[in-house]
Amino acid sequence: SFELTQPPSVSVSPGQTARITCSGDSLPKQYAYWYQQKAGQAPVLVIYKDTERPSGIPERFSGSSSGTIVTLTIRGVQAEDEADYYCQSGDRSDSYRDVFGGGTKLTVL
Amino acid sequence: QVQLLQSGPGLVKPSQTLSLTCAISGDSVSSNNVAWNWVRQSPSRGLEWLGRTYYRSKWYNDYAVSVKSRIAINPDTSKNQFSLQLNSVTPEDTAVYYCARDFNYGFDPWGQGTLVTVSS
Repeated sequence: SFELTQPPSVSVSPGQTARITCSGDSLPKQYAYWYQQKAGQAPVLVIYKDTERPSGIPERFSGSSSGTIVTLTIRGVQAEDEADYYCQSGDRSDSYRDVFGGGTKLTVL
Repeated sequence: QVQLLQSGPGLVKPSQTLSLTCAISGDSVSSNNVAWNWVRQSPSRGLEWLGRTYYRSKWYNDYAVSVKSRIAINPDTSKNQFSLQLNSVTPEDTAVYYCARDFNYGFDPWGQGTLVTVSS
């Protein structure tokens, strides 16, 4: 079955760079998307199609892709970036299916 | 600016039907280049995509295998909204349910979320 695997947690100090990975066998064939979810709120799209940033998302958020791993990078982390981050991709092998990773809790120390 | 506003009961009894509605402003449920999705979130299952409806000269649906036998997502063009019906619910269906637009650039925006508890 198609799965996306994320580390449960990442911790960084303010001003440092946070990198959150997402691995999955279909990622070389399908785009990945990243969402930020703060406590009690709905997810917000921060990266689409592996590397693109929606308007209104700060430039410190970026995405990259290499084989079966996609990475969300946050440079110059700020306290407001503390949140859960989820990757998403699709399985188009037999039928249409969207899948989310298990989420990564980013803690700003 | 597209906005999604969810409505529906927060408590459903076991074996009954969960029904939620997502009202759309700033876009049309009949748009040819978007899909309208339902996603749920629980501590045990994380974010789980449930299904979608979309219009490409006619209406289509896709559903997650885990709920395929008991789910229906339907558009309502007269009210510019879409709905979720999940039959035969159990306590495992307790979750926060979200609607979301997929415009081929990711899920954006999302509805505000509805906590649905399945309990007698």
